[in-house]
Amino acid sequence: QVQLVQSGTEVKKPGASVKVSCKASGYPFTVYYIHWVRQAPGQGLEWMGRINPKSGGTNYAQKFKDVFTLTRNTSTNTVYMELRSDDTAIYYCTREGDVGAFDVWGQGTIVTVS
Amino acid sequence: QSVLTQPPSASGTPGQRVIISCSGSSSNIEFNYVSWYQQLPGSAPKLLIYRNDQRPSGVPDRFSGSKSGTSASLAISGLRSEDEADYYCAAWDDSLTRVFGGGTKLTVL
Repeated sequence: QVQLVQSGTEVKKPGASVKVSCKASGYPFTVYYIHWVRQAPGQGLEWMGRINPKSGGTNYAQKFKDVFTLTRNTSTNTVYMELRSDDTAIYYCTREGDVGAFDVWGQGTIVTVS
Repeated sequence: QSVLTQPPSASGTPGQRVIISCSGSSSNIEFNYVSWYQQLPGSAPKLLIYRNDQRPSGVPDRFSGSKSGTSASLAISGLRSEDEADYYCAAWDDSLTRVFGGGTKLTVL
């Protein structure tokens, strides 16, 4: 079935960077954009950016453009998010489907800064 | 502060109809599609409504969406206890970014 599976919980030290993966399966990887969404503890959803898996082209929210980088590996159908901010949150990857909405979501990755 | 404005909370009793609003502007809602997401406690969000008023397969017809001008709404009829969740609206913004509402926590009394 169509799914996005994210890597596990991360604990990072202040000032360090962390890389979270999102592996797609069940559909042609290069057809659909992958987006990342942040949810701080007790807070709402916040859009961070997206990547075109076919070209590698990216768009970032202004707030995150200096602390967040998206890359992809088309051989393994995986998108990577490298984060350099000190924000404890859950990070979700999600697919922008044919209907132009986020139709498939990863399970979320908790990143704790400590 | 979110670009799209939602009431922080809403409530209703079983069987009632509840409406959640989402207010934006001409750079997002007015000329772009709105989608809605349901997030149950401890879970990832789930797509409820896309292209303003379309339901994905598997979403009950108790959920409906609408849009007028710079505002959109999600209506839930025949409220059930399992509808207790957070609800978010989203839209494209003209700056090639996606924007979410701040979320509405729905309580079923």
